[in-house]
Amino acid sequence: QVQLQQWGAGLLKPSETLSLTCVVYGGSFSDYSWSWIRQPPGKGLEWIGEINHRGSTSYTPSLKSRVAISLDTAMKRFSLRLTSVAAADTATYYCAGGRSHWFDPWGQGALVTVSS
Amino acid sequence: QSALTQPASLSGSPGQSITISCTVANSDIDDFNFVSWYQQHPDKAPKLIIFDVYNRPSGISNRFSGSKSGNTASLAISGLQTEDEADYYCSSYSSNTPQVVFGGGTKLTVL
Repeated sequence: QVQLQQWGAGLLKPSETLSLTCVVYGGSFSDYSWSWIRQPPGKGLEWIGEINHRGSTSYTPSLKSRVAISLDTAMKRFSLRLTSVAAADTATYYCAGGRSHWFDPWGQGALVTVSS
Repeated sequence: QSALTQPASLSGSPGQSITISCTVANSDIDDFNFVSWYQQHPDKAPKLIIFDVYNRPSGISNRFSGSKSGNTASLAISGLQTEDEADYYCSSYSSNTPQVVFGGGTKLTVL
């Protein structure tokens, strides 16, 4: 059974870079694509982007200029970088494994707050 | 404004059946065959309950079922239980962009 554990900085100042990492335990790393999804407080889910086991990425258009998802196959982990953060980027960020564009499993979530 | 429209809230009584709709709002979604549904309890990560329109992952109760007609997908929950009280999100893939899109979510209250 695949499980995900994520970590990263929880409090950022405007213009800083958000950095989160997710480690994959169990299962076959290459059977999934790996996504990041966020949820602002009290609001709905927003897909940020994904990376497949070959390292090919896809990002949501609204964040494409600021986001990068990378892969470390040897360590079975993937990471999210989001540059020039602002208050609107305050959210709980989830990592998730995907197949055919559905997501299971999910990480536990990490609240990232952007505040001066 | 999401490309997928869901009712903001629904309610039902224990034992009843309800249906949550998810309608394509614009042409961003060109292929509505990759619809999935997620259940999210407060302060928890979402949980996959339906994938590829109709399919239930292992371990998901058969009280949950998915369907699709035209540009509307639906999640039906039968025999409502108090633990079904949660937020529900639909999701679809758009090969146009390409990207995954979520609906705005439906808050289900079990009275």
